[in-house]
Amino acid sequence: QSFLTQAPSVSGTPGQRVTIACSGSSSNIGSNSVSWYQQVPGTAPKLLTFNNNQRPSGVPGRFSDSKSGTSASLAISGLQSDDDAYYYCAAWDDSLNDLLFGGGTKLTVL
Amino acid sequence: QVQLVQSGAEVKKPGSSVKVSCKVSGGNFNNFIIYWVRQAPGQGLEWMGGIIPIFGTENYAQKFQGRVTITADESTTTAYMELSSLRSEDTATYYCAREAGGSGWHGWLDPWGQGTLVIVSS
Repeated sequence: QSFLTQAPSVSGTPGQRVTIACSGSSSNIGSNSVSWYQQVPGTAPKLLTFNNNQRPSGVPGRFSDSKSGTSASLAISGLQSDDDAYYYCAAWDDSLNDLLFGGGTKLTVL
Repeated sequence: QVQLVQSGAEVKKPGSSVKVSCKVSGGNFNNFIIYWVRQAPGQGLEWMGGIIPIFGTENYAQKFQGRVTITADESTTTAYMELSSLRSEDTATYYCAREAGGSGWHGWLDPWGQGTLVIVSS
């Protein structure tokens, strides 16, 4: 059971725009920044976005995030075959004093 | 650029302990938090704790309090995670990662180590 809730799966076709949602509460997403990670099975996670849509160098602008209240989302535009991976949201929880991860969403590029 | 290189896979007996290392190179070691995250087979990511090397300040997830110890050696720019009283459910890949947001516990993890597989089996 994760305190940050993500849909198990989402799919899209090349070139399409997809969004991945992450739902939390006032003690985590509602009061702290959200970060998003991409993980290809068998490899380490990679930071995609953080701190209100900042991206590490090398991450393309096709990846963007947004937040509203206690929910956040990651948008991927111009979907490519190598976007086929798992995506995780994360945020600090002030009540637990823990860093929480969502359960992950598997993106399948059809 | 900053690189984190972890120690190799381990096979441990139930009840024993494991200590995983994370060598940081190419950047400032002392001022950036090092986090530890684990991932059981086929499961999601789970935060275990972190440390600010320059102060030795630790912060542990509630779930692992009393069973995990995170340390840092400034002389070798290496962080360590030791997990005790191992059980089969601790079988997982353990990752270290550095705070990307400078000072402070932001929880923005970049870059990551390559991961260390720990198998707990009798």
